[in-house]
Amino acid sequence: DAKTTQPNSMESNEEEPVHLPCNHSTISGTDYIHWYRQLPSQGPEYVIHGLTSNVNNRMASLAIAEDRKSSTLILHRATLRDAAVYYCILDQGGKLIFGQGTELSVKP
Amino acid sequence: GAVVSQHPSRVICKSGTSVKIECRSLDFQATTMFWYRQFPKQSLMLMATSNEGSKATYEQGVEKDKFLINHASLTLSTLTVTSAHPEDSSFYICSAGASRGYGYTFGSGTRLTVV
Repeated sequence: DAKTTQPNSMESNEEEPVHLPCNHSTISGTDYIHWYRQLPSQGPEYVIHGLTSNVNNRMASLAIAEDRKSSTLILHRATLRDAAVYYCILDQGGKLIFGQGTELSVKP
Repeated sequence: GAVVSQHPSRVICKSGTSVKIECRSLDFQATTMFWYRQFPKQSLMLMATSNEGSKATYEQGVEKDKFLINHASLTLSTLTVTSAHPEDSSFYICSAGASRGYGYTFGSGTRLTVV
């Protein structure tokens, strides 16, 4: 199974941008890159996903490297509600294999 | 947006009994649903892929006779933990997606405590 590598934790200040990196060097050509976040005792929440091009939505932006071996989730202005564990996952034919994720803390 | 409803949100059962967890896609049809388990301070672990009208596909190391999955319709999948033991206590989460290339929606999870 293709795997992703993320830093265990990151810290951000409120209202500042946050860049969450993810390495997926063994990605296959048809694997989508997904990002989800999870609050304690809740199911994961979809954030964004993409295949090759950069993507933007109301929650975040996803920057995908040209070789697709890494990607970065960008939260443009972090809020206290963005504090969560963020998972970068490869969609391999519908099967999502979760790594350990990055625990993001946001300081007021 | 797509909604996946999971029930119950928490359940306590006695050792040796069985517990059924339901996962429903409320506004879309899901031919495939996924079941995960999450222990405290750990990531989600995929248990099985539930396919409508056919047998579930279990991940390596997951006992299919212990974790019975039924996907009888395009909007409902159930996970039954049979003969539950304290080590089965965990957070169980289901997910579904309309089709590949779209995001997946997760249920809110079920906290199972076996006493």
